[in-house]
Amino acid sequence: DAEITQSPRHKITETGRQVTLACHQTWNHNNMFWYRQDLGHGLRLIHYSYGVQDTNKGEVSDGYSVSRSNTEDLPLTLESAASSQTSVYFCASSLDQGEQYFGPGTRLTVT
Amino acid sequence: ILNVEQSPQSLHVQEGDSTNFTCSFPSSNFYALHWYRWETAKSPEALFVMTLNGDEKKKGRISATLNTKEGYSYLYIKGSQPEDSATYLCAPLRDSNYQLIWGAGTKLIIKP
Repeated sequence: DAEITQSPRHKITETGRQVTLACHQTWNHNNMFWYRQDLGHGLRLIHYSYGVQDTNKGEVSDGYSVSRSNTEDLPLTLESAASSQTSVYFCASSLDQGEQYFGPGTRLTVT
Repeated sequence: ILNVEQSPQSLHVQEGDSTNFTCSFPSSNFYALHWYRWETAKSPEALFVMTLNGDEKKKGRISATLNTKEGYSYLYIKGSQPEDSATYLCAPLRDSNYQLIWGAGTKLIIKP
């Protein structure tokens, strides 16, 4: 069965370290998205990609980067982790304008 | 910035009762409206994707209607059950852009 996975599911890191969160989907979807979820804010878009070699900034992209070298993966990198980046991160994918399929989430704590 | 409003913010409903809540969005450049259900400690799951004015979709006891001219959608749940407890999110898609603009959600709590 097709699925979308994220790893790790939980991560604790120190301020200033580089962290990469993985997202892998087997739906063969062209679109992939990274969101963060914080209390009082709902889902906020960090970065998104419409296909291989395409990446775009979302509303809260500062301090984050992504790359899309193949259809299946969109890793999210925090270049220098800050306490403000403590959050739950969700990856999602979709085919064109269709429904988005979400991964299980990664809980990141920056100490 | 596209303003998406969902009301009420939270709702307590007795088991067996029916309920509904609203999603409002600017009607200009409308392309589609998504509804998602998000249970605590899980990930959002899609309920409906609606595109046409007057569209009505149904999945079991849950249904939704869409008015693109005035910019609103209603989600209805008939005969609420404890497993319906979740946050329900709406998200319009503007033009053919694939970015969803997420509402803050309506948190539904079913009292047994």
